[in-house]
Amino acid sequence: AQKVTQAQTEISVVEKEDVTLDCVYETRDTTYYLFWYKQPPSGELVFLIRRNSFDEQNEISGRYSWNFQKSTSSFNFTITASQVVDSAVYFCALRPRGRQLTFGSGTQLTVLP
Amino acid sequence: EAGVAQSPRYKIIEKRQSVAFWCNPISGHATLYWYQQILGQGPKLLIQFQNNGVVDDSQLPKDRFSAERLKGVDSTLKIQPAKLEDSAVYLCASSKGASGSLTDTQYFGPGTRLTVL
Repeated sequence: AQKVTQAQTEISVVEKEDVTLDCVYETRDTTYYLFWYKQPPSGELVFLIRRNSFDEQNEISGRYSWNFQKSTSSFNFTITASQVVDSAVYFCALRPRGRQLTFGSGTQLTVLP
Repeated sequence: EAGVAQSPRYKIIEKRQSVAFWCNPISGHATLYWYQQILGQGPKLLIQFQNNGVVDDSQLPKDRFSAERLKGVDSTLKIQPAKLEDSAVYLCASSKGASGSLTDTQYFGPGTRLTVL
């Protein structure tokens, strides 16, 4: 069975601070994809990134960066110089080959002006 | 490109009533998913269609929930009769490729927030 753990339920930072959202996953499958989604107050889940299990290169996209470490089964997400518009619930998700997408319980990020 | 559309956005009903939700996926997307998201939790898959066939409905409470995807495009999810514990956001998602494709990314609609009183 697969599982995604987001231990941080809520995080609050002041604008322009950096913030890291943690994600730890469990799966017996060797081939899988990891995802991050953002859910703003409007409710729609917005796709941010997809990473496959064979590619451990970190990725940077603007103020966003992702650190995938297979050795620790972690796929952490960092927002640099946070902004108020980054306030949302962020979900990490795992999809092994042939299985369904499993979500973590989410981290509520609040960025204060 | 238009995203996934859902309606209604909000619905309030009393327990034992019935309710239906509608979803229109992104044009050309073969696979459609319905998720249930209870407050404070991540979405949980209810049912997955590829075109108009069911791929996975193992987590759908079939005694009260039903779903269909006629003509392989729009889909409806119905609850009859509703229970208090069905209060949640119902999210529809679609993806381009075949079900089970590892590379497929799911794109989500805005959801329908259901309150059962």
